[in-house]
Amino acid sequence: GQSLEQPSEVTAVEGAIVQINCTYQTSGFYGLSWYQQHDGGAPTFLSYNGLDGLEETGRFSSFLSRSDSYGYLLLQELQMKDSASYFCAVSSNTGKLIFGQGTTLQVKP
Amino acid sequence: SAVISQKPSRDICQRGTSLTIQCQVDSQVTMMFWYRQQPGQSLTLIATANQGSEATYESGFVIDKFPISRPNLTFSTLTVSNMSPEDSSIYLCSAYDRGLTDTQYFGPGTRLTVL
Repeated sequence: GQSLEQPSEVTAVEGAIVQINCTYQTSGFYGLSWYQQHDGGAPTFLSYNGLDGLEETGRFSSFLSRSDSYGYLLLQELQMKDSASYFCAVSSNTGKLIFGQGTTLQVKP
Repeated sequence: SAVISQKPSRDICQRGTSLTIQCQVDSQVTMMFWYRQQPGQSLTLIATANQGSEATYESGFVIDKFPISRPNLTFSTLTVSNMSPEDSSIYLCSAYDRGLTDTQYFGPGTRLTVL
């Protein structure tokens, strides 16, 4: 089977840095993606790692270690608007995504 | 990037009826998928919508309950049949075309409430 684990909730203050971890067990692993979802909204693509290492996109970075079946999303200079749910998702070579249960990030002033 | 629209955006339906959700992509894409997101939960893949052939369903989802069509590379429909309150969810379609960023884009979702 396939499974992903990520923390259910994370709280941080504005301006801080937060890391959301994701471990996975899956067959046919192709890559790890991260999505952001605000209440009532659709998931929005944040980042993708197909190879080991760090990918940086503005304030957001994502890391993957295929040998450890582990990745993380790093959010820097947190802003109030970053309060949302964050999902890691593994993809197979067919493109379909299997999502983790999501991490609710609450940013406090 | 792909822009995806869904219709309807929301609906309230009676038990035992069926609802068809439409998904339109602004460009041709290789793959389209349908997901369900129950209240407070993560996204669960229902099926892969295959162009010109029957959809490929994930474990726990069957064609009789969730018939899917994909007549071309930009359009797909999902029907939720013989609805019950347990079908109340957000239904999302997504589009994927492997490229440099390997990105899957999601539509805005259809919020379904079954009474």
